Amino acid sequence: QKEVEQNSGPLSVPEGAIASLNCTYSDRGSQSFFWYRQYSGKSPELIMFIYSNGDKEDGRFTAQLNKASQYVSLLIRDSQPSDSATYLCAVYPGGSQGNLIFGKGTKLSVKP
Amino acid sequence: EAGVAQSPRYKIIEKRQSVAFWCNPISGHATLYWYQQILGQGPKLLIQFQNNGVVDDSQLPKDRFSAERLKGVDSTLKIQPAKLEDSAVYLCASSPGQGSGNTIYFGEGSWLTVV
Repeated sequence: QKEVEQNSGPLSVPEGAIASLNCTYSDRGSQSFFWYRQYSGKSPELIMFIYSNGDKEDGRFTAQLNKASQYVSLLIRDSQPSDSATYLCAVYPGGSQGNLIFGKGTKLSVKP
Repeated sequence: EAGVAQSPRYKIIEKRQSVAFWCNPISGHATLYWYQQILGQGPKLLIQFQNNGVVDDSQLPKDRFSAERLKGVDSTLKIQPAKLEDSAVYLCASSPGQGSGNTIYFGEGSWLTVV
């Protein structure tokens, strides 16, 4: 059973702080990793993806991947109240099947 | 570029009734997905189409759920008869191809309440 694990939260951070969201996955052959943001009552929207070990930065967001530890994280710098949402980690497992496996999501609350 | 379109957005039905959801993917996207998202959980794949063929329907409850993608474009998902535990949002998504590296884009979802 290929699994993606996230702490459900809620994670509460003050405005302007760094929010750190974590995700682990069970399939060592997983090839690509995605972070989606989902506001309450809305559908998931893609924030960023990462394929290679290391860091990838996009504006205030940084994705970090460590394949040896089967760990991927998302850092949000200068957190804003508008960042309050559920963040879903999703993983393509190894093999040719194009089927993202999602974690349950971490709920982030940014307090003004 | 138009996104993934879904309808209806909201539906309330009684248990044992039937319901159908429609999806139109992003133009040119060969792969179409139906996900079920129960409150507080991540999306779970129900079925994946590549053009008009089924790639994966291993988690589709086939005794009550059916889906088709005629002509490789639009798709419908049907539930008959519905159960209380089917209350969820049904997310249609599409991607240019299948496999690692293809970003999946979601529609707004169809919210189903079974009473």
